[in-house]
Amino acid sequence: AQSVSQHNHHVILSEAASLELGCNYSYGGTVNLFWYVQYPGQHLQLLLKYFSGDPLVKGIKGFEAEFIKSKFSFNLRKPSVQWSDTAEYFCAVVPSGYSTLTFGKGTMLLVSP
Amino acid sequence: GAGVSQSPRYKVTKRGQDVALRCDPISGHVSLYWYRQALGQGPEFLTYFNYEAQQDKSGLPNDRFSAERPEGSISTLTIQRTEQRDSAMYRCASSLVSLAGGTDTQYFGPGTRLTVL
Repeated sequence: AQSVSQHNHHVILSEAASLELGCNYSYGGTVNLFWYVQYPGQHLQLLLKYFSGDPLVKGIKGFEAEFIKSKFSFNLRKPSVQWSDTAEYFCAVVPSGYSTLTFGKGTMLLVSP
Repeated sequence: GAGVSQSPRYKVTKRGQDVALRCDPISGHVSLYWYRQALGQGPEFLTYFNYEAQQDKSGLPNDRFSAERPEGSISTLTIQRTEQRDSAMYRCASSLVSLAGGTDTQYFGPGTRLTVL
């Protein structure tokens, strides 16, 4: 069965700092990849997704992620974080031909003003 | 448009009681998924439906858990004889089509926080 590893459980940054959250998955075949975000008091929302094509995908609110197949990675980046980016971030994978998402444990990001 | 809705948002029950959690997907969405999320963990798959047919229930932890979607729209997840270890956030998601053989995004509801005393 596939698994997803998010390297950092908690990240604390100051506003304007750059962000990179790591995500690695274990599956040898073709995959679809997602980053979801949960802001305080809100539900899980899609941040960005990769299905095929350009491995650098851009999402909402200035986030982007790069799929590196050789490293089984799908790291999330943002050049300059804002206080409003404080949230929990989840990486998820679904192998092609399957229907259910496998999530990582999540990374809690706290951005201090 | 309206998103996925779940009710109740919070449920506190005593050990041994049965609970029913409801999910109302986005209108027109074919596929409906149930996930469970324990504290400090990511969501874990329980079961999913295409229309009214339950396609996969391999994630249901034991036979106290069941789900139905009788008319292909609203779904109910039922937990019988609840135990303290059932305490978690139960999340529902829907998508236009199943991801199997295709590509589509799952949209999540607000979740139901279940606490079993």
